Amino acid sequence: GAVVSQHPSWVICKSGTSVKIECRSLDFQATTMFWYRQFPKQSLMLMATSNEGSKATYEQGVEKDKFLINHASLTLSTLTVTSAHPEDSSFYICSARGNPSRHTEAFFGQGTRLTVV
Amino acid sequence: AQKITQTQPGMFVQEKEAVTLDCTYDTSDQSYGLFWYKQPSSGEMIFLIYQGSYDEQNATEGRYSLNFQKARKSANLVISASQLGDSAMYFCAMREGRKSSASKIIFGSGTRLSIRP
Repeated sequence: GAVVSQHPSWVICKSGTSVKIECRSLDFQATTMFWYRQFPKQSLMLMATSNEGSKATYEQGVEKDKFLINHASLTLSTLTVTSAHPEDSSFYICSARGNPSRHTEAFFGQGTRLTVV
Repeated sequence: AQKITQTQPGMFVQEKEAVTLDCTYDTSDQSYGLFWYKQPSSGEMIFLIYQGSYDEQNATEGRYSLNFQKARKSANLVISASQLGDSAMYFCAMREGRKSSASKIIFGSGTRLSIRP
């Protein structure tokens, strides 16, 4: 399968600060990247879909100004949690999908565990 | 609206036995894709197997097979000869609509599989 790298794997930040999470496709061009959030013992909830060079599409209930997504290149998308609060503590995971015919599934990064204190 | 249902929150299976994880889905699309992912305690999402809605044969990948019953809208995962390393959360997921880089994947609530030695 294709390789998607997510960084950092874990981060602790103070309440009120911003945190940036990177998602990179290492061996294919990701025209679309997806950002998910997962609370403990729950399923993955799609937050937003980003296409290279255009604005992200957010799912209902997700605050655009709080979760800033940038997809500036075919291999990199970033999620910035702005003015983080303890309730933003969660596991964030990205997936990437490209056009190569061998890829029929979305490949996931390793995930980022965010703790806001 | 689309929906993925996994009715087994948890399962215990004896090592070397086969196990079936249930998944039903609901969609009005004629073209869709079904996925199974494994999520160990580390959090990474590991792609296991894919079934397209127009695939005539059930998908198989090593010890994993997908029992696809289109009329019943079920896509159960079968793991043969279970191993201790199979203990993890398992998610069924569906891609809505035609295969394209922009189509979303939605997830079921997951099944926690525990393998007893």
